[in-house]
Amino acid sequence: EVQLVESGGGLVQPGGSLRLSCAASGFTFSSYWMSWVRQAPGKGLEWVANIKQDGSEKYYVDSVKGRFTISRDNAKNSLYLQMNSLRAEDTAVYYCARTDFDYWGQGTLVTVSS
Amino acid sequence: DVVMTQSPLSLPVTLGQPASISCRSSQSLVHSDGNTYLNWFQQRPGQSPRRLIYKVSNRDSGVPDRFSGSGSGTDFTLKISRVEAEDVGVYYCMQGTHWPPFTFGPGTKVDIK
Repeated sequence: EVQLVESGGGLVQPGGSLRLSCAASGFTFSSYWMSWVRQAPGKGLEWVANIKQDGSEKYYVDSVKGRFTISRDNAKNSLYLQMNSLRAEDTAVYYCARTDFDYWGQGTLVTVSS
Repeated sequence: DVVMTQSPLSLPVTLGQPASISCRSSQSLVHSDGNTYLNWFQQRPGQSPRRLIYKVSNRDSGVPDRFSGSGSGTDFTLKISRVEAEDVGVYYCMQGTHWPPFTFGPGTKVDIK
């Protein structure tokens, strides 16, 4: 059974940093592009970033370029999102998903507030 | 970036009756490989999104056959043949042809009259 389990969310002050993790199981993690998608409270879905199977290609939505870094560790079946210079508008539930978007995690809430 | 629009944004439906959601893209979603990467997702209250339909009309495993997708180019439709109580939620279309970025529609909230 495919499982994606996010962790690392929490409350952080504006300008702060947070690192999200996503533990994958039930499939060959190293064979898939992986994505982060976020959803602000009461709002729609926004794709944030994705990463190629071997980590050699990474893409970001414009609003997070230069602040967020996606990475992966195929030996640990894990996906990461390093978030720096956080802003109030980054407040959202962050989902880890395969870039086919056929499997999603349960999400982790990031709240940016003073 | 490709802009996705949906209508209606709110859809009250009667149990057992059909429902239809329209999705339009700002440019054709036909990829150079010949495929059209248009997905539909369902998000029930308090749950993660779930993919229902991929490449316009292909139902995911476990998706009831009352859900169907159609369309081409820039105009797409998700239909529910007979709405059931478990279909309440928000439905999103998403294009995966011209990325980055992948872009979602604003969502259509389906509830029971």
